[in-house]
Amino acid sequence: EIVLTQSPGTLSLSPGERATLSCTASLTVRGGYFAWYQQKPGQSPRLLIHGASSRATGIPDRFSGSGSGTDFTLTISRLEPEDFALYYCQQYSRSPPTFGQGTKVEF
Amino acid sequence: QIQLVQSGGGGVQPGGSLRVSCAASGFSFSDFGMHWVRQAPGKGLEWVAFIRFDGSHKSYADSVKGRFTISRDNSNNTVFLQMNSLRPEDTGVYYCAKDKERRQDEYFFDYWGQGTLVTVSS
Repeated sequence: EIVLTQSPGTLSLSPGERATLSCTASLTVRGGYFAWYQQKPGQSPRLLIHGASSRATGIPDRFSGSGSGTDFTLTISRLEPEDFALYYCQQYSRSPPTFGQGTKVEF
Repeated sequence: QIQLVQSGGGGVQPGGSLRVSCAASGFSFSDFGMHWVRQAPGKGLEWVAFIRFDGSHKSYADSVKGRFTISRDNSNNTVFLQMNSLRPEDTGVYYCAKDKERRQDEYFFDYWGQGTLVTVSS
């Protein structure tokens, strides 16, 4: 299976700053079949990005995804208070679909 | 609006069984694949199982293969996860999740249920 490694584990930033989250795959993720999710404490995950760079419905344009092959990035251009949360990457290029271990964005 | 409302779960001893359910509304349920994803306490996300929109194909994580069964009832817009031979390491919050693309096995998830806690302990 494809192992996803997210870095950093924790990102300490302030509102208004730019957040850059990375995810590295152990094997090539073909077709750009890559997603990012946000999860807040006590809540279900929310889809942010799919197809490596397509924003899901209702996601603000301060969230953007990029990357291909084995290296993918989620960028939050200017952090809003509601963006402080846990973020997971996921590949769906080959079965089983797998998730990274998460990056916590904290204030 | 799209809703996935879960029920079932709870506590069980090792070796026991539980069934969790997920009732869908707000979309054409019979046109979308459905998944179960779990999260151990304080841990990350793990995909568990998938069922195709028409029930013709199912797939499972190796960790649950042979013990868990996913099924669906398209007439009642509900997906189920039957869990047998439960182990302590199966403890966690179980989420049902909807495949994003209509009638395609995409394996990523645009809507999630609220989660159901399953605790396996003696």
